[in-house]
Amino acid sequence: AQTVTQSQPEMSVQEAETVTLSCTYDTSESDYYLFWYKQPPSRQMILVIRQEAYKQQNATENRFSVNFQKAAKSFSLKISDSQLGDAAMYFCAYRTFTGTASKLTFGTGTRLQVTL
Amino acid sequence: GAVVSQHPSWVICKSGTSVKIECRSLDFQATTMFWYRQFPKQSLMLMATSNEGSKATYEQGVEKDKFLINHASLTLSTLTVTSAHPEDSSFYICSAITYRTGILAGGTSTDTQYFGPGTRLTVL
Repeated sequence: AQTVTQSQPEMSVQEAETVTLSCTYDTSESDYYLFWYKQPPSRQMILVIRQEAYKQQNATENRFSVNFQKAAKSFSLKISDSQLGDAAMYFCAYRTFTGTASKLTFGTGTRLQVTL
Repeated sequence: GAVVSQHPSWVICKSGTSVKIECRSLDFQATTMFWYRQFPKQSLMLMATSNEGSKATYEQGVEKDKFLINHASLTLSTLTVTSAHPEDSSFYICSAITYRTGILAGGTSTDTQYFGPGTRLTVL
């Protein structure tokens, strides 16, 4: 079974600075998806970024980028120019590549605080 | 595109009663819907998966007779908590994914789950 580990329960960053959230996973599959979801205080899960394992290029969405190291099974999220609105719980998630009922496996989350 | 709604957003009920929570995909046909439960300061725990036209598949340890799931149409799934007790109090979240293409996909990506805003259930 796949597992997702987020080793940082809490992180703090100053506004306008850069922060990196860590995520490692364990799988025996070669093709899969990886996601970062954000859950603000409203508790609405918001997709931040996604990565297909077969793509070597790291995904980027505006201020958010990932460092995907397939051999190391690592998938970290970098937030540049942090804003107050980035404060939230961040969940790393894994999904198998095939199958119409593929489930997400979530990590335990990292709470990000953004300070002035 | 990719909007998923839930109703109600907050419900309080008495112990022993049943509560129904609705999850709708507003602008795409959801071929698969998922129901999660989230305790305070914890991650999401998958309860069940429902595909169009078939019965829900429950995760190990989830009581199927207590948490009834119906994927009534391609845009609606319901979760009914039967004979609710205080320990059922939690935050319930649904998500949806589609394998349709074109207009039926509503601009969604076929490999991404889109989440509803959640329902807070309090059982007194």
